[in-house]
Amino acid sequence: DQQVKQNSPSLSVQEGRISILNCDYTNSMFDYFLWYKKYPAEGPTFLISISSIKDKNEDGRFTVFLNKSAKHLSLHIVPSQPGDSAVYFCAAPYYNQGGKLIFGQGTELSVKP
Amino acid sequence: NAGVTQTPKFQVLKTGQSMTLQCAQDMNHNSMYWYRQDPGMGLRLIYYSASEGTTDKGEVPNGYNVSRLNKREFSLRLESAAPSQTSVYFCASRAGLDTEAFFGQGTRLTVV
Repeated sequence: DQQVKQNSPSLSVQEGRISILNCDYTNSMFDYFLWYKKYPAEGPTFLISISSIKDKNEDGRFTVFLNKSAKHLSLHIVPSQPGDSAVYFCAAPYYNQGGKLIFGQGTELSVKP
Repeated sequence: NAGVTQTPKFQVLKTGQSMTLQCAQDMNHNSMYWYRQDPGMGLRLIYYSASEGTTDKGEVPNGYNVSRLNKREFSLRLESAAPSQTSVYFCASRAGLDTEAFFGQGTRLTVV
């Protein structure tokens, strides 16, 4: 049972435009969410997080929005740059299982010059 | 600052062989994780260790065993490798529940 889902395997945007990556979850107990970025042949690196007490968190060009009623979060990248081309994963920990951390399937973002 | 270190980086095994993937972190983190990444499947959790002395199954534990040797080290063992275990394996660690996880560079394993 995939409790964190990223239904878009890939996304292509033009440089300078907005990239929106989506993530849905099914477990209403999730309280904290993270986004990771992964380049080929490297380990994932942390990008931004959001706690369920907020509906938005911003860090430079990256903003994460959380809609708890819809069990949906999104990552906005504005403006998109070619260096943002990577695979993006959303993740959530289970608080009642010792912080077991699970990830979505990932979305491959391609930003074209 | 080393962070999370995985060894080896690459490995080719024959079906039925065994091997241990090593992971060490120098950040004094409590929790450690092993994931595998396969095309279209994302990062799937194999095993994790919430703290020194504890280990628990993740989403895809079959065919693997783990040892939390001490707070720094968390190893993953394949007792009898199968072609289905061909994957990229990542180790991660984190300090606590509301903190980010840090990942190693990965081990690319091929089972022939």
